[in-house]
Amino acid sequence: LAKTTQPISMDSYEGQEVNITCSHNNIATNDYITWYQQFPSQGPRFIIQGYKTKVTNEVASLFIPADRKSSTLSLPRVSLSDTAVYYCLVGDISRSSASKIIFGSGTRLSIRP
Amino acid sequence: KAGVTQTPRYLIKTRGQQVTLSCSPISGHRSVSWYQQTPGQGLQFLFEYFSETQRNKGNFPGRFSGRQFSNSRSEMNVSTLELGDSALYLCASSPYLAGEFYEQYFGPGTRLTVT
Repeated sequence: LAKTTQPISMDSYEGQEVNITCSHNNIATNDYITWYQQFPSQGPRFIIQGYKTKVTNEVASLFIPADRKSSTLSLPRVSLSDTAVYYCLVGDISRSSASKIIFGSGTRLSIRP
Repeated sequence: KAGVTQTPRYLIKTRGQQVTLSCSPISGHRSVSWYQQTPGQGLQFLFEYFSETQRNKGNFPGRFSGRQFSNSRSEMNVSTLELGDSALYLCASSPYLAGEFYEQYFGPGTRLTVT
């Protein structure tokens, strides 16, 4: 199972772009990269998922270099409501189940006015 | 479409008691997973059910058990509660077990406090 490494915490200000990088040096060929967001006392919420290159949705962008050993979650123009813990997950979702998807420690993002 | 619901939201029990938590997945979802979240250990996988069958189990003692009903609703049970069982218990549902764009939808969790 690919292990992920993320910064424990990050701080930023409203209106800024925030990039959170996740390292997954042992990522396997069939592994996908998924990011979740979690607010206090709530369950995690799916943000974005990708396999390679770049993926963008209405919430965020995910950049994955060619070697796939890392990925960067990009949150454009953050607001106070983006203060949360962000988890990077790597797993073979093509033929595995929830048990193969490991949540790491996450990155605690704090946004200031 | 209604999200994943969990009941109760908060629970206080004493050591040695047992507890049952309930989860109703999103309509049409057949996979239900349970997680335990604590400040020290983070989010840890407990077990996963699909079509009333337990498909996978995490590294937890036998005091932790669960089941899934024909309507996909799931319950988990913890017997002989210990102080260390105090945690946020999260339920997540998915339409299927795996596949591209696999995504889990989490409920708000049940906050269990053992005294």
